[in-house]
Amino acid sequence: EPEVTQTPSHQVTQMGQEVILRCVPISNHLYFYWYRQILGQKVEFLVSFYNNEISEKSEIFDDQFSVERPDGSNFTLKIRSTKLEDSAMYFCASSASGGSGQPQHFGDGTRLSIL
Amino acid sequence: AQTVTQSQPEMSVQEAETVTLSCTYDTSESNYYLFWYKQPPSRQMILVIRQEAYKQQNATENRFSVNFQKAAKSFSLKISDSQLGDTAMYFCAFMGSINNDMRFGAGTRLTVKP
Repeated sequence: EPEVTQTPSHQVTQMGQEVILRCVPISNHLYFYWYRQILGQKVEFLVSFYNNEISEKSEIFDDQFSVERPDGSNFTLKIRSTKLEDSAMYFCASSASGGSGQPQHFGDGTRLSIL
Repeated sequence: AQTVTQSQPEMSVQEAETVTLSCTYDTSESNYYLFWYKQPPSRQMILVIRQEAYKQQNATENRFSVNFQKAAKSFSLKISDSQLGDTAMYFCAFMGSINNDMRFGAGTRLTVKP
């Protein structure tokens, strides 16, 4: 069964540095998402992406964050000038279409640790 | 704003027994979608079951079934014949009919004991 893959599985970064989290969505999916889960807390929506542009974003997704689909397969989340509170598990997801309750398929996540 | 509440942080069940995980939500929308996701220790979020709010019939997937009570805004997950591999975090999630973002509950950690 096709899967969403995320790399790296664990990223350790110094505070203030930039980090890029990478995702390869399921190949025929058109909608892509990023979520984060701070340790011990619920999974929170960050952003959705369709047709090479952001379709929705949460209040968490401020100017520090950006997303990009640099080629036909990768979908990246960039965090500039990381802060300690950015430490979390980041999940990428994809769906075949948007709306209509299409299930989102998640990757294994990247654990980001900011020192 | 939609909120999803899972009031049971942890639950345990004996192998082969049945367990029910609770979920309530709040929304002003009339049409929406509800999901249960499973997150085993391997971390991957796996879709367990999906319910469309306009369908009165409760969704079932093998040993997994839901009790969807729209008026009460309740969406519980029943796991029958529990297996050791069911041990995981279970997240209830809400998706509206317009936006694509999913709203998750805090999760319930289920342990199946041999």
